[in-house]
Amino acid sequence: AQSVAQPEDQVNVAEGNPLTVKCTYSVSGNPYLFWYVQYPNRGLQFLLKYITGDNLVKGSYGFEAEFNKSQTSFHLKKPSALVSDSALYFCAVRDRNSGNTPLVFGKGTRLSVIA
Amino acid sequence: KAGVTQTPRYLIKTRGQQVTLSCSPISGHRSVSWYQQTPGQGLQFLFEYFSETQRNKGNFPGRFSGRQFSNSRSEMNVSTLELGDSALYLCASSLVTGTSNTEAFFGQGTRLTVV
Repeated sequence: AQSVAQPEDQVNVAEGNPLTVKCTYSVSGNPYLFWYVQYPNRGLQFLLKYITGDNLVKGSYGFEAEFNKSQTSFHLKKPSALVSDSALYFCAVRDRNSGNTPLVFGKGTRLSVIA
Repeated sequence: KAGVTQTPRYLIKTRGQQVTLSCSPISGHRSVSWYQQTPGQGLQFLFEYFSETQRNKGNFPGRFSGRQFSNSRSEMNVSTLELGDSALYLCASSLVTGTSNTEAFFGQGTRLTVV
């Protein structure tokens, strides 16, 4: 079975500082990994995904994520946080060998960037 | 290109009633998935439809049902509403290419409140 853990419910960071939102996953095979962001009263917006190749994936709005197979992690990062980055972030996984199974999401991490 | 459209955006229903939510996917997308989002449980998968056929189903009671039409539009229905059904219901569409690495695009959701 596939699963995702986002160990932090809330992350607080000062504007201009680097941010990290953590994600670990569990799949029986190799993963496809995704990050989404949700602003208040909105749906989820796709940020980036890891399929294969370079472990560092770059996405929208200056975000990037690093795939680490040995640690089964896919942490989201940004070098310099903006107040407008404050939102709810979701990590999701799908087993590469499972065919078209649904995305499994973590419970989300609320990021608060303080001016 | 228009995004995923969900109607209505907000809904208030009484316990015991039934409700139908609608989702129009991105043009050309043939896969539609539904998720329930609550503060305590995060995003939970309801079901997925592809070419009018239910392809995957989550762990929800039979009161939750759905269907997809030939134009890929989808509806979900919840019968005999309970207070615990209050949630944000999200629809996601994706361009299925036979692989599982495609990202899903979400609508803004329907906020259902059961009183």
